[in-house]
Amino acid sequence: GENVEQHPSTLSVQEGDSAVIKCTYSDSASNYFPWYKQELGKGPQLIIDIRSNVGEKKDQRIAVTLNKTAKHFSLHITETQPEDSAVYFCAASKGYQKVTFGIGTKLQVIP
Amino acid sequence: KAGVTQTPRYLIKTRGQQVTLSCSPISGHRSVSWYQQTPGQGLQFLFEYFSETQRNKGNFPGRFSGRQFSNSRSEMNVSTLELGDSALYLCASSPSQGGNEKLFFGSGTQLSVL
Repeated sequence: GENVEQHPSTLSVQEGDSAVIKCTYSDSASNYFPWYKQELGKGPQLIIDIRSNVGEKKDQRIAVTLNKTAKHFSLHITETQPEDSAVYFCAASKGYQKVTFGIGTKLQVIP
Repeated sequence: KAGVTQTPRYLIKTRGQQVTLSCSPISGHRSVSWYQQTPGQGLQFLFEYFSETQRNKGNFPGRFSGRQFSNSRSEMNVSTLELGDSALYLCASSPSQGGNEKLFFGSGTQLSVL
């Protein structure tokens, strides 16, 4: 089955700096790669996603890149703000099969 | 549109007991998935139901079971509770059109087994 590895497990950045979280996947057939943000006491919330036919996608301060050959994808957050502090999960899936999540990255933005 | 609703929010049980958790998906969503979240293991997939049928299953023992009703509401049951079952149990619904994408999560049920 699919295996998703995510790093780093924790990340501290100064407010205004950029943050990068990286994930690798094992199943070359996976074609959908979402990122979720989980704030304290809440369930994960989808913040951005990318499909295998696209190399990069941006939404304001967040962007995701995908390298299908290397089977890795990354989340980039620019101009970080304190409200970006949360746990971020990457995931991979294909078709109607289960969605496999990474272990999560705890991001702390220091004011 | 109302979000995914999970009840109860908190639950305390003792070893050997059983527990039933409930999930009401977003209206119109036909797929419901369950995940176990623990600090060291992240989000572990339990099972997914679509139109009252289990479509996917994770690697959990048979003590963990679930079902889905005709209105898409879902329940999961854990029998003979063990200390290691203490976790946050998350339910997610999806419109599931074209694939298992765009999961919408509830706030979860925090289960503590004493």
